[in-house]
Amino acid sequence: EVQLVETGGGLIQPGGSLRLSCAASGLTVSSNFMTWVRQAPGKGLEWVSVLYNTGSTYYADSVKGRFTISRDNSKNTLFLQMSSLRDEDSAVYYCARALGVGGNYFDYWGQGSLVTVSS
Amino acid sequence: QSALTQPASVSGSPGQSITISCTGTSSDVGGYDYVSWYQQYPGKAPKLLIYDVTNRPSGVSSRFSGSKSGNTASLTISGLQAEDEADYYCSSYASSSALYVFGTGTRVTVL
Repeated sequence: EVQLVETGGGLIQPGGSLRLSCAASGLTVSSNFMTWVRQAPGKGLEWVSVLYNTGSTYYADSVKGRFTISRDNSKNTLFLQMSSLRDEDSAVYYCARALGVGGNYFDYWGQGSLVTVSS
Repeated sequence: QSALTQPASVSGSPGQSITISCTGTSSDVGGYDYVSWYQQYPGKAPKLLIYDVTNRPSGVSSRFSGSKSGNTASLTISGLQAEDEADYYCSSYASSSALYVFGTGTRVTVL
């Protein structure tokens, strides 16, 4: 059974940094396309970033230059390092496995980790 | 990259069929057969319903079906049931700096 468990969320002041973790079981992070998707309170889903099995990374324009996606193969864990956080980054952050051509659909999702950016 | 356009809400009576549209551009929905659909209950993670426009993952009810015409994709729910009351999102691969774009979301209400 595949499980993705996000941790690391919390309350952070604007301009601060936070690192989210997504511990995987039942799948190998390094062999898959892994992605982060976020959802602001009461809003829709927004794609944030993807890490391909090759190591290539891509980001939404809204987080480019501020967020970094990475993985620790020994821990089978995906990360999202977030810096220069803004109010509009407040959201539930989900990690998910991306499948298909270019990783265009997301089949396994974590339960989400809430990030609140507020002074 | 703008979000794909979905109706804010759709409703139907039990047993009826409803269709949710998802309109994009030739750079996303119209350009690729890589449209997926997700169901989300409040406070829960999204669940994959349809991928690559028409394909259902194992375990997803055959009452859910997908299609596409031009820049608009559609999700049809047949034999509407109370448990189908949820939010639904489409998503597409996109030839832009944002590789993936989601729809604005549709709240389905079972009357």
